[in-house]
Amino acid sequence: SQELEQSPQSLIVQEGKNLTINCTSSKTLYGLYWYKQKYGEGLIFLMMLQKGGEEKSHEKITAKLDEKKQQSSLHITASQPSHAGIYLCGADPTGTASKLTFGTGTRLQVTL
Amino acid sequence: DADVTQTPRNRITKTGKRIMLECSQTKGHDRMYWYRQDPGLGLRLIYYSFDVKDINKGEISDGYSVSRQAQAKFSLSLESAIPNQTALYFCATSDLIRGMDTQYFGPGTRLTVL
Repeated sequence: SQELEQSPQSLIVQEGKNLTINCTSSKTLYGLYWYKQKYGEGLIFLMMLQKGGEEKSHEKITAKLDEKKQQSSLHITASQPSHAGIYLCGADPTGTASKLTFGTGTRLQVTL
Repeated sequence: DADVTQTPRNRITKTGKRIMLECSQTKGHDRMYWYRQDPGLGLRLIYYSFDVKDINKGEISDGYSVSRQAQAKFSLSLESAIPNQTALYFCATSDLIRGMDTQYFGPGTRLTVL
C-alpha cells in the first residue's frame, strides 16, 4: 500500500517567515492533493497537482509536484497567523481515481 | 449553507450502544466517503460509495456499516460501539473531473465511546 510521509511533523514559525512542508510517497504519484485542517475541524481543499513538474499557487501558498522524486512540496510565503493549522497531503494510490491515501499531517503554528 | 453537513457534531455514548452518524451533501456528487481521524494515524478510509447501488469497504471497515439512502445521503453506523472507536469522523464527497478525484469534507463528528 502507498504511504505518504510528511515532514516536518510540526513547525513553529514567526509571522512573516517563509516555510516549506514536504510530502514524500513510497510509490508512484498519480496525483497529489493538499488540504488544510484547523484543529478539530474539517479539511479544506487547497489545490491538486496532476502532472510532474506542475506548480500551482493560491494567494501565498505554492505547491509543486516532482514525479521523479515521488514528492510534493508546499511553500508558504510571508506566513500569517491565518496559515496556522494542520496541512495534509493526499494521493491516489492506484491511479484509478477511486480513493485517496493521506499523510499524517504537518502541524503549523505561526507566532507573532 | 455548507455543501457537506454531518450530524451530530459531537456525541458521547457508552460501550455496546448502536450509533448512527449522518452525512448530507448538496454538491450533487455521486461519490461519498467515510473516514476516521486519530492522533498520529491520519485519515483512514472506512467505507466509500460511488453511487446509490455501490458500497465498498475501506481499510478499516470492521465494526462499521453504511447505508446510501440517496445520492445526497450516506450514513455510518456503529452496531455496538467500543472505546477504540473514539475518534473524529469525517464524511467527504467527490466528483471525478479530468481523471482527478478531489474530495470535499464535512466539518466532522467527534465521537466518544465510554
